Amino acid sequence: EDQVTQSPEALRLQEGESSSLNCSYTVSGLRGLFWYRQDPGKGPEFLFTLYSAGEEKEKERLKATLTKKESFLHITAPKPEDSATYLCAVQGARLSGSEKLVFGKGTKLTVNP
Amino acid sequence: NAGVTQTPKFQVLKTGQSMTLQCAQDMNHNSMYWYRQDPGMGLRLIYYSASEGTTDKGEVPNGYNVSRLNKREFSLRLESAAPSQTSVYFCASRDRGEQFFGPGTRLTVL
Repeated sequence: EDQVTQSPEALRLQEGESSSLNCSYTVSGLRGLFWYRQDPGKGPEFLFTLYSAGEEKEKERLKATLTKKESFLHITAPKPEDSATYLCAVQGARLSGSEKLVFGKGTKLTVNP
Repeated sequence: NAGVTQTPKFQVLKTGQSMTLQCAQDMNHNSMYWYRQDPGMGLRLIYYSASEGTTDKGEVPNGYNVSRLNKREFSLRLESAAPSQTSVYFCASRDRGEQFFGPGTRLTVL
């Protein structure tokens, strides 16, 4: 069964204090790993898709990386507006249900000014 | 493009009442999904539809039914609501890449 574990559950940073969020996964044949941002009271907003180990993607202060067992979301010099819950999800290659994504429980990031 | 739209935004039901949550997407996506999100539980898949005319159970299907009305619309029905179904419900759609989510429906069952 495909599984996703995110750590830490919650993270508090000072503005400008860089850090990383972790997403560990077990999946039968990775077809894609996805990062989302979710603000309170809103639906998840897509950030990145990673497909193979070694791949990296960047967007503003965010950089996502992927290995065969985990993904990291690096946040460089965060600002208060980066405060949100960050979700990780994987899609496996199982024949049955291959259209499904499995989500982690998320990391709630708070950036204090 | 409106993306994924959901109605209603908020709903309060009494135990035993029924209702249908509506979802529509204008991105011509093949796959559509219904999730529920509860504190500490993350997003859990209720049902999904890989293409028009097909539906499959997800992780937590009990107490729910779905209809893929056409390629654009995917509805979720609660036949006899229970307090355990109090949650925030999200609809999503995707083609071959990432999922796009709607704004959610906040449902309270008293």
